Amino acid sequence: DAKTTQPNSMESNEEEPVHLPCNHSTISGTDYIHWYRQLPSQGPEYVIHGLTSNVNNRMASLAIAEDRKSSTLILHRATLRDAAVYYCILRGQGGSEKLVFGKGTKLTVNP
Amino acid sequence: NAGVTQTPKFQVLKTGQSMTLQCAQDMNHEYMSWYRQDPGMGLRLIHYSVGAGITDQGEVPNGYNVSRSTTEDFPLRLLSAAPSQTSVYFCASSYSRAGGGYTFGSGTRLTVV
Repeated sequence: DAKTTQPNSMESNEEEPVHLPCNHSTISGTDYIHWYRQLPSQGPEYVIHGLTSNVNNRMASLAIAEDRKSSTLILHRATLRDAAVYYCILRGQGGSEKLVFGKGTKLTVNP
Repeated sequence: NAGVTQTPKFQVLKTGQSMTLQCAQDMNHEYMSWYRQDPGMGLRLIHYSVGAGITDQGEVPNGYNVSRSTTEDFPLRLLSAAPSQTSVYFCASSYSRAGGGYTFGSGTRLTVV
């Protein structure tokens, strides 16, 4: 399974943007970049995914580098409810569609 | 639309007992997976299924069995519970295309004494 590298932890202030980085230098051409988050005492929650182009949804934006070896999850205005562990995961095709979690980034949001 | 339903939410077992954790989804998802999460740790994949009748092992399959007789259900069986299996178990499901996101259940907290 292709690996991702994320910082162990990050801090942000409420109502400020947050940029969560992820490196995936061994990504293959058919791997999708997925982001999930896990709030305290809850199951993981899907956030966003993309293949090559930047993506936006109501929760976040995903910026993907041109060479696809890195990506950034962008929370435009962090709230206290965004405090969670964020996971960047590569999900492949053709038999490797399973989701394998790494350690993720623990985001702390300060009031 | 209930999503992914896991039962029970809490369970205490004695060492050596067996039990089945239930997982059901009503979204007609082909893919289903079981994960365990130990305190302060990330999620580890136990078993997964790409469709009815098809299952495969994940990272930590020992001590667990699965079967997938229907699209909707993916039960996880603990054959002989051990204290090392004390964990929170999450079930998840997804459409088969790699671009689809997984939906997770709310978890089963299992304690083996």
